[in-house]
Amino acid sequence: QVQLVQSGAEVRKPGASVKVSCKASGYTFTGYYMHWVRQAPGQGLEWMGRISPNTGGTNFAQKFQGRVTMTRDTSISTAYMELSRLRSDDTAVYYCATGTTTVSDYWGQGTLVTVSS
Amino acid sequence: DIQMTQSPSSLSASVGDRVTITCQASQDISGYLNWYQQKPGKAPKLLIYDVSNLETGVPSRFSGSGSGTDFTFTISSLQPEDIATYYCQQYDTLPYIFGQGTKLEIK
Repeated sequence: QVQLVQSGAEVRKPGASVKVSCKASGYTFTGYYMHWVRQAPGQGLEWMGRISPNTGGTNFAQKFQGRVTMTRDTSISTAYMELSRLRSDDTAVYYCATGTTTVSDYWGQGTLVTVSS
Repeated sequence: DIQMTQSPSSLSASVGDRVTITCQASQDISGYLNWYQQKPGKAPKLLIYDVSNLETGVPSRFSGSGSGTDFTFTISSLQPEDIATYYCQQYDTLPYIFGQGTKLEIK
């Protein structure tokens, strides 16, 4: 069965960077885009961007351009999302999601990133 | 960017009620619309894909319809376990914007 397992919670100071991992199993990792979605406390879902695990090509929401990097390591079926120059309003749960039928059939469990001085 | 206007933002209904949520896109999204359910502290769960296709294992009381820019999500008979927040998402054009969400509560 498809599983996406994310790395654990992180705490960072403003201005720092954070890198979240998402290990995939149960399907062909390189066959489907991996998306990253975040959710600030008490807020809705916000699509951040996606990466093609096959080519490494990325697309980002304008809001995150210049601050987000998405990479992958196909040898271990893992995708990464790195967000730099963190601010307090980046405090959120970050999800990876992929889909074999549609854009986001399967979701990781989420990673809480807390930005606080 | 395509804007997704979801309404209502919150809804209170009784067990057994028919519940309807709407999602309006700012332009034609060619049927590339999904609906998700999210319970507190959990990841979103796909319920409906491509407007009206029920994800495997999802109860048949959930349904979706619509075309072009106007879409509807329906629960035919509300159950206590349906208490959650529901989101639409378009994936016709990048960025893949979500609606603002509808928080569903039991009356």
